[in-house]
Amino acid sequence: EVQLVESGGGLVQPGRSLRLSCAASGFTFDDYAMHWVRQAPGKGLEWVSGISWNSDTIGYADSVKGRFTISRDNAKNSLYLQMNSLKTEDTALYYCAKASGQWLIVFFPDSWGQGTLVTVSS
Amino acid sequence: AIQMTQSPSSLSASVGDRVTITCRASQGIRNDLGWYQQKPGKAPKLLIYAASSLQSGVPSRFSGSGSGTDFTLTISSLQPEDFATYYCLQDYNYPHTFGQGTKLEIK
Repeated sequence: EVQLVESGGGLVQPGRSLRLSCAASGFTFDDYAMHWVRQAPGKGLEWVSGISWNSDTIGYADSVKGRFTISRDNAKNSLYLQMNSLKTEDTALYYCAKASGQWLIVFFPDSWGQGTLVTVSS
Repeated sequence: AIQMTQSPSSLSASVGDRVTITCRASQGIRNDLGWYQQKPGKAPKLLIYAASSLQSGVPSRFSGSGSGTDFTLTISSLQPEDFATYYCLQDYNYPHTFGQGTKLEIK
């Protein structure tokens, strides 16, 4: 059974940094692309970033480009999101999601964690 | 970025009804579209991928169609467990983008 467990969320002041982690199990991690998707309280889903199986292909939403960095450690079955220069509008539940294949295009997120809450406030 | 416009934003329907939700892309995306269902407090669930392929384990009352810029999700006979919010997602290029969601409520 696929399991994705996010961690690292919390309350942080604007302008500060936070690093999210996602621990994966139940599948061969390095066979699949991975994504981060967020949902602000009471709002819709927003795709944040994705990374291919071998880290060769990475994409970001325009709203986070230049501030967030996605990475993965296939030896540790882990996905990360380094979030710098946080803004109040980054407040959201952040989901880690596994794609259905190796690449970011064509292969959709098909398994999701339960999310970790990031609150950016002074 | 490609804009995904869903309609309607909300919908009231009864058990047994046939329901259609549409998603329009601001440019052609081939068939690189998925549909998700989200219930309150839960993670999204993939229903349809590649515009019309049913994800494993999803009931056959769900179906998808379309290509290019216009797509539809159809639920042939609503069941009580189908009342939720539905999102489309394009993964044709970066950044991937979701529609704004359609909340399906009980009439």
